[in-house]
Amino acid sequence: GNSVTQMEGPVTLSEEAFLTINCTYTATGYPSLFWYVQYPGEGLQLLLKATKADDKGSNKGFEATYRKETTSFHLEKGSVQVSDSAVYFCALSDEVSDSWGKLQFGAGTQVVVTP
Amino acid sequence: DSGVTQTPKHLITATGQRVTLRCSPRSGDLSVYWYQQSLDQGLQFLIQYYNGEERAKGNILERFSAQQFPDLHSELNLSSLELGDSALYFCASAPGTATTNEKLFFGSGTQLSVL
Repeated sequence: GNSVTQMEGPVTLSEEAFLTINCTYTATGYPSLFWYVQYPGEGLQLLLKATKADDKGSNKGFEATYRKETTSFHLEKGSVQVSDSAVYFCALSDEVSDSWGKLQFGAGTQVVVTP
Repeated sequence: DSGVTQTPKHLITATGQRVTLRCSPRSGDLSVYWYQQSLDQGLQFLIQYYNGEERAKGNILERFSAQQFPDLHSELNLSSLELGDSALYFCASAPGTATTNEKLFFGSGTQLSVL
């Protein structure tokens, strides 16, 4: 079955540091890949997505590239801010699923950015 | 604010009881998804409704059921509650059908505690 594996947290960084969160996946076919972010007390928000190999998703300074050869979708940001403190979820939607919105999520990675 | 409203925000109940969680999707969205977030299982897809009809099912227990009403709001019914049902239950909505790759808009969740 499908699965998403992401690095365990918490990841603690100083402001302006470089952030990488690793995400690898297992899926049949060609899934769409997503990063969602969850701020404290809120629901998940879509951060970025990529729907085919070599696509790069980007938003708010975050980037991730769909690498089919390594089945990865690592999230990066060059200079984090305190406001980036949140839990980040990698997810996939299998193209052969009965519903694209039936997402398979990773366990989530908590990121803590200190001033 | 995602535009998705979930009530109640918190629910405390006892084992064996039945509860109903309510979700109002964003205006105009036809699809409603239910997800469960627990410490041991992470984020899991439960069920999807589209325009009043069940569209996709995930790891939803037989003790759980859902429906979507003509005004498009949805309810998730959890019965014969067990301690392990304690979790954060998210509702998400999207405009289109299962074949449209659109982003999900999540509510802030209902925290269920079974004592």
